[in-house]
Amino acid sequence: GAVVSQHPSWVICKSGTSVKIECRSLDFQATTMFWYRQFPKQSLMLMATSNEGSKATYEQGVEKDKFLINHASLTLSTLTVTSAHPEDSSFYICSARDLASGSTGELFFGEGSRLTVL
Amino acid sequence: QKEVEQNSGPLSVPEGAIASLNCTYSDRGSQSFFWYRQYSGKSPELIMFIYSNGDKEDGRFTAQLNKASQYVSLLIRDSQPSDSATYLCAVNNRGGGNKLTFGTGTQLKVEL
Repeated sequence: GAVVSQHPSWVICKSGTSVKIECRSLDFQATTMFWYRQFPKQSLMLMATSNEGSKATYEQGVEKDKFLINHASLTLSTLTVTSAHPEDSSFYICSARDLASGSTGELFFGEGSRLTVL
Repeated sequence: QKEVEQNSGPLSVPEGAIASLNCTYSDRGSQSFFWYRQYSGKSPELIMFIYSNGDKEDGRFTAQLNKASQYVSLLIRDSQPSDSATYLCAVNNRGGGNKLTFGTGTQLKVEL
């Protein structure tokens, strides 16, 4: 299957700093990538839809100025958590759908990035 | 009402038994349905997807969809300890921009 790679897989940072997480589709192109957040023992919650070459679409309740998303190419989307606080500690997972498989094709997930804010 | 509902479990079944996982969804416009398996601390991995009413079988897994009842299920035959994980039901609503909405997941424990 297709591969989606996330980096870093885990990160620890101090409160108030910013953290960037990268999501790459390694063997396919994706005009759209999705960013999810998962707190312990909870399900995946969609944060935003990242659109190549245009602004991201944020879900209700997600602060776009805090969670900056950039989708500069068909294989890379980045999520930057700005001025991180302990409550932002979570498992962040990106996913992407192969452009060639259309809008209902399989969604491939990255390995996830575990953020811990001290 | 949650968009996608699952019993959180844990569901415990003995090794070799059939595990039945259920999911209901609220949006009748939902187009496609997915079952993901997630091990603790890992990302979800796709088990099966189903678009049409009825059953779809893949090895030990069978997905069942009933759009009239807004219900989708996953059967795991000959359950193995390695099947112990959280199973996430996800629904793709075309009207929602092809986003996947996940249920909270059902924790499955297969006991020796």
